[in-house]
Order: sequence, then structure tokens, then C-alpha cells
Amino acid sequence: GAGVSQSPSNKVTEKGKDVELRCDPISGHTALYWYRQSLGQGLEFLIYFQGNSAPDKSGLPSDRFSAERTGGSVSTLTIQRTQQEDSAVYLCASSLANRGGETQYFGPGTRLLVL
Amino acid sequence: AQKVTQAQTEISVVEKEDVTLDCVYETRDTTYYLFWYKQPPSGELVFLIRRNSFDEQNEISGRYSWNFQKSTSSFNFTITASQVVDSAVYFCALSEHYGQNFVFGPGTRLSVLP
Repeated sequence: GAGVSQSPSNKVTEKGKDVELRCDPISGHTALYWYRQSLGQGLEFLIYFQGNSAPDKSGLPSDRFSAERTGGSVSTLTIQRTQQEDSAVYLCASSLANRGGETQYFGPGTRLLVL
Repeated sequence: AQKVTQAQTEISVVEKEDVTLDCVYETRDTTYYLFWYKQPPSGELVFLIRRNSFDEQNEISGRYSWNFQKSTSSFNFTITASQVVDSAVYFCALSEHYGQNFVFGPGTRLSVLP
């Protein structure tokens, strides 16, 4: 079946502009995660959605970052007033449920470059 | 608190050598899950293996094998007869039974030279 998809693949924007990144999880997966990976670095957790429950936003680095998940499926990560330090690869993952230990399956990521 | 340590930042080996990637974890839970992911140069993380804390049997899948030792809180990954296509960053991760998040290690960059 289809895996996690993300769009756009690459995004170049100017400092101060807003950007929206999209994630389509695997069909049937109720849990969705956003991570950020700066160049050569590890994965930084941003936000987690489980079904219709309130998301876990504990990883969002500032109030310029927000995310929503419509209809329990597609998710959009929005970064307002982008800064150069926001440049990174943004990875989305989904899993079957929110039980501990469920395998997360990752999308190809969106490479964001803020000039 | 949960934590995953991958002490080896970078490893270089010559093709056909065996290589072991170390992973040490910390958790207070008695039920937890450990994972390995591969991130090739293309960037997409590829799931390799999932183990739960009650299953300490070593696992072998082709040239890959995993050694889970609760006594040392380690979940090491060995690639036998390495190949150039094994060049990637490898991440170890931990998920607690009642936790919702993964904790990833910092990754080990493996370069297999021809």
C-alpha cells in the first residue's frame, strides 16, 4: 500500500514569510508525528496527533510553529515568519495507534531552506 | 526519563568487513520497545526492526543481526560482510509502553568504502 507522503519535497522561502508543509499518513494510521532534522543532526520531536484527541505540542520550538490535522488524516505544519534557523528537513511519520511501541513509518521529508 | 545513546558518531569500514553499531538506552519502564532505523543519503528513514523488552532473543535477518541485552541496557546492531549500499545514518530509538513518543539516539553515520 501507499506509504507516508509529504509535500512539497523542497521549499525555498525568504525570511519572514509563512510556509505550510503537508503530510498524508498511511491509510488507517491514527497517530501522526512531526519531527525536524537539522543538517547532520538527529531527530527533534515537534508534535504528535492521535485521532481526535488534543495534540501533544510539547516539542514545538516557538509559537511561530503550529500544526493541525483535519478529519484525523492529513496534517499541515505551519511556520509563520520563518527564520534562517528554521532551515531543516521536516519529517512526518504515522503509526497504527498511540500504544507505546507502535512502529512509526516515515515520509520522505520536506527540505526547507530559509534565505 | 528515557534516553538513547549512540556513542559512535561516525564509523568507516572497508567493504566486506563486519561492523557493530552500539545503542545504549535508559528507561524506568519494565515494558518498552526498541527500534533501529536506517537513513540512506536519500533521506527517508527506513524501519529495520522492533523488539519488545520481554524478548531478549537475538535476531538475524540476512546480513543484519541484533543483540539485545537487558543486563547492559544495550541493543546493538551488527552488519556482516558490509556493502557500499549499507552506507547510511543509523538511528536507534526507544518507546515506552505508556509513552506516546519515540526517543531517538543521535545516530551513527556508517561509511562503507569499496
